[in-house]
Amino acid sequence: ETGVTQTPRHLVMGMTNKKSLKCEQHLGHNAMYWYKQSAKKPLELMFVYSLEERVENNSVPSRFSPECPNSSHLFLHLHTLQPEDSALYLCASSQGVNGNTEAFFGQGTRLTVV
Amino acid sequence: SQELEQSPQSLIVQEGKNLTINCTSSKTLYGLYWYKQKYGEGLIFLMMLQKGGEEKSHEKITAKLDEKKQQSSLHITASQPSHAGIYLCGADPDRGSTLGRLYFGRGTQLTVWP
Repeated sequence: ETGVTQTPRHLVMGMTNKKSLKCEQHLGHNAMYWYKQSAKKPLELMFVYSLEERVENNSVPSRFSPECPNSSHLFLHLHTLQPEDSALYLCASSQGVNGNTEAFFGQGTRLTVV
Repeated sequence: SQELEQSPQSLIVQEGKNLTINCTSSKTLYGLYWYKQKYGEGLIFLMMLQKGGEEKSHEKITAKLDEKKQQSSLHITASQPSHAGIYLCGADPDRGSTLGRLYFGRGTQLTVWP
């Protein structure tokens, strides 16, 4: 248990569906991240939030829409996804500004797009 | 973007043997992180190295950073089945960054057989 909780753990969705991934951290951190892990590819940083503001978007398609309503919660809204979006989506948090930089990861959501 | 090359891609060792995993960066390393991942799960933070020549140990795992070579190594002494998993190195691309956003290598799959 790392203090970062992701739900759901598994998700199967059709290409026309809309779904959301949720991440919650109980560590008092100020920075949160979404990563994508596909088979045979390095872990890819998608979005970075610091103090609830998005500070980085690594050329992620608009069918992925992040939301950070407060420093403890992070969402990833999904719509009209493609089969190649199937992957393990990992959320992480770190202390952020003026803090230690090591990131703590959630268990991930295994997403399958059919 | 920063690229991290890990070697070997996979490693199978007998319990009790020592092993080393390497991580080489295409750019200057300002911070190098080692994580362990069980298949399909989140990443567990192992160690962070920030200064050239720095060496850290935790139980039977030792990590070193060679800043000049832009390289880090992870050494496991007297391996056990509990060491099995995927070892990932990650690097922060920016000097003085206070955020934990990382770029990762592809990982090294370690199998330890009794």
